Amino acid sequence: EAGVAQSPRYKIIEKRQSVAFWCNPISGHATLYWYQQILGQGPKLLIQFQNNGVVDDSQLPKDRFSAERLKGVDSTLKIQPAKLEDSAVYLCASSQQGIKAFFGQGTRLTVV
Amino acid sequence: KQEVTQIPAALSVPEGENLVLNCSFTDSAIYNLQWFRQDPGKGLTSLLLIQSSQREQTSGRLNASLDKSSGRSTLYIAASQPGDSATYLCAVRPGSGYSTLTFGKGTMLLVSP
Repeated sequence: EAGVAQSPRYKIIEKRQSVAFWCNPISGHATLYWYQQILGQGPKLLIQFQNNGVVDDSQLPKDRFSAERLKGVDSTLKIQPAKLEDSAVYLCASSQQGIKAFFGQGTRLTVV
Repeated sequence: KQEVTQIPAALSVPEGENLVLNCSFTDSAIYNLQWFRQDPGKGLTSLLLIQSSQREQTSGRLNASLDKSSGRSTLYIAASQPGDSATYLCAVRPGSGYSTLTFGKGTMLLVSP
């Protein structure tokens, strides 16, 4: 069974630039999550999709972050413009309803 | 608001020891609890999932217990090995199956040969 795929694995950008991350969940998983993990912290939810609808985006900084999940499958997370404090690992996860969540390898973003 | 705390933040043990990692949560109305392992620079690997109606789950040398009423879970690792060195994260899914996982900050484990 293929896992959750994320790209790129690493990204370095200057502050005020824009960046986009891509996630392909496990086939058949209706729920998709984007988490932000700052060094030394646990993952923090940014946004949760159920199929292509947003379930929870209460902690998404909407002035600079956006996410979409077209056709209820792949998803992209965008940051524009990036700030130094956005340096983190961005994790995508998927699950069937309420069952085990599976995570991708993450994208490590460094903003300089 | 659900809060998850993991103690200790870091742990260093010699190879072969049995050890216990602790996780506590503030709202006992959970749907399930999941333990993850994270290697440096990598994503999260699911170790064990315990449904709210269960008391424990076992996989190999790992055993996770859940006491929902007291808001606690423990991860027991038997006969630790250097390959067990990683950060261990606890996450709870509150309420319904549509709700999201809330994570603790993790316990960084180092097992020395």
